[in-house]
Amino acid sequence: EIVLTQSPATLSLSPGERATLSCRASQSVSSYLAWYQHKPGQAPRLLIYGASSRATGIPARFSGSGSGTDFTLTISSLEPEDFAVYYCQLRNKWPLFGQGTRLEIK
Amino acid sequence: QVQLQESGPGLVKPSETLSLTCAVSGYSISSAYYCAWVRQPPGKGLEWLGHIYHSGSTYYNPSLNNRVIISVDTSRNQFSLNLSSVTAADTAVYYCARQAWTEYYFDYWGQGILVTVSS
Repeated sequence: EIVLTQSPATLSLSPGERATLSCRASQSVSSYLAWYQHKPGQAPRLLIYGASSRATGIPARFSGSGSGTDFTLTISSLEPEDFAVYYCQLRNKWPLFGQGTRLEIK
Repeated sequence: QVQLQESGPGLVKPSETLSLTCAVSGYSISSAYYCAWVRQPPGKGLEWLGHIYHSGSTYYNPSLNNRVIISVDTSRNQFSLNLSSVTAADTAVYYCARQAWTEYYFDYWGQGILVTVSS
C-alpha cells in the first residue's frame, strides 16, 4: 500500500520568503498528484493538479513539480494569506492524502 | 458558479447511522465527474470516504469496512452519504466534493459540516 509522507510537518517562514513543501510516495507513482490549501473553517482549495498544472484562479507564485516518488509545492514569495495547512493527494486505487504541512508565520 | 452544500444532523448517537446530503448547483451531476465524500477528524488530516458516478457505480474506502453507502439523485442534482454503526472515531467535518474523472483530484468542495458522535 502506498504511503504519502509530507515534510516538514510544520514550516515557519516570514512573508516574502520562499516556501518549499515536500510530498514523498513510498513507491513510484503516476503524476496524478494534487496539492490543496486548507484554512480553518473553510473548504480545501485545489492549487495544483497533474503535479504541475495550476488550478483555475491560482496565483502564479504557486508552482508544483516532481515525478516518480518526490513532489514539491513551491510558493515563490509568501503572502499573508498563504499561511495555512497544505495537503498533497494522489490518485492511487483510491484518492490518498498526505498528512499535511502546516505553514505558519515566523 | 459551481456550489456544493452539505446538510444533515450535527449530532448522531453511537451505533446509529450518519446521513448527510450534498446539494449541487452550477453543474449537472450527470456530467463526467464523480461525487465524493471526504472527512477530517478533529486535529487530523483528510480522508476520502468514497465516490459515486451518476450511473450509480460506487467505490468506497476499504478502511471503512463496508459501513459506507453513497447514493445519487440526478433529478434533484444531489447525492448522499450513509455511514452506519458510527463511533466517536467518526466525529469529523464531512465535506462533499466534485472529483475529477481520470485524475481523482477535487476541484470543488462544500463548506463542510461537523458531525459529532455522542450519546
